Formats: sequence, structure tokens, C-alpha cells
Amino acid sequence: DVKVTQSSRYLVKRTGEKVFLECVQDMDHENMFWYRQDPGLGLRLIYFSYDVKMKEKGDIPEGYSVSREKKERFSLILESASTNQTSMYLCASSLRGRELNTEAFFGQGTRLTVV
Amino acid sequence: GNSVTQMEGPVTLSEEAFLTINCTYTATGYPSLFWYVQYPGEGLQLLLKATKADDKGSNKGFEATYRKETTSFHLEKGSVQVSDSAVYFCALGKYNNNDMRFGAGTRLTVKP
Repeated sequence: DVKVTQSSRYLVKRTGEKVFLECVQDMDHENMFWYRQDPGLGLRLIYFSYDVKMKEKGDIPEGYSVSREKKERFSLILESASTNQTSMYLCASSLRGRELNTEAFFGQGTRLTVV
Repeated sequence: GNSVTQMEGPVTLSEEAFLTINCTYTATGYPSLFWYVQYPGEGLQLLLKATKADDKGSNKGFEATYRKETTSFHLEKGSVQVSDSAVYFCALGKYNNNDMRFGAGTRLTVKP
């Protein structure tokens, strides 16, 4: 069974803390993504990676960074957490399509609260 | 740029009612279109997809047809069940998925 696993379901952090969200996939997918999900806004892409050590900014990269040292692992880093980063964070992975899009597989999400 | 506009919810239906959730898109080129479903407490999972104009995606009784002339990909189901209660997301994707766009999501509640 294909799997994308996020390290935490719920996190509570203090303003100014450095926060790491981890995501691991076991499908040998090239692409990995981090989204945040907020009511009424749908999913917004934070960062995307199509290969080890490669990354691209999404729509809302400010305040975030990412790391992909191994193919199966993609980390999202909040350098200095702020209350406006309270959200649901979703990790996804997919095969790198040759001609057509392939589906994205999602983790269960991490609900982060910054107090 | 590419974008997806999805019918706002929430939608509340009785069991066995007919469901339509509207989705329209704006895109350059020829995107693929998707419907994802998010059940309570879970991540998103693919419900169905269509990769070219006039394709019909279907799964679990849900259907959606890729209409290029109206730039739409409406989700339909003839008879909903309580177990269909979830949030539904329309999405648009292009080569390599690095430009995958999601709608705001529509929460569906089906009452017995």
C-alpha cells in the first residue's frame, strides 16, 4: 500500500521557535510537495521538489524553507514560527510525469498551532 | 495564471439525492483535471481524473467530464450516501505537477 507519512498529526509551538515538519514517502516518487490548507482558501503550494537537493518556490514560500537530502524525505522548516502560520500542513508526492499528470498521494496532515 | 473556481459550500443533502459540485478552471495549454476527496481526519485522496477534453473520469459512483468548451469539470453522483460526507476539491495540474492548483473545497454533508 502506497504511503506518505507525516511525522506529527498535531503540533503546538511558541512564537519564534524553529519548527521542523517531516514527510517520508515509500513509493520512490521524484516529486514532493508541501501545501498548507486554510478554510476558504483551499490548498496553497508552499514549496515543491522534483529531485534530491532541488526545490522550487510555490505561491507562499515566505517564512518557510525546505530540505530534501534523500529522495524519500522532504522537510518543511519554519525558521521563526508566527501565529499566522497556524494551519494544516499537507505533504504530497507523485511520479514525475513524462506526458501527462499523475496523481498526487497525500499524507494525513499536520495541524500546527503557533501560540 | 492557472486557477480553479469551485462551488462554495457547505452542501447538505439527504441520502439518495443527486449531487452536483461545480468546478471551472482557467489554464493555458492542456491541463489535467482532478477531483480529490478528504474524509474527516484524513489527507486528500484522488477520487477521479481526466487528462484530455471530453474524457470522463469515474469512481465510486462519482463522475466528471472534462469540458473544454465551457472550461468545466463538474462532479456528479446520482444517489449520495451518508458515507460520502467529506470535503471535495477540484484540482488542475500540468506537466510534472509543479503547477497543481486546488479549489477552495466544498464540504458535503449527507443526512440519513
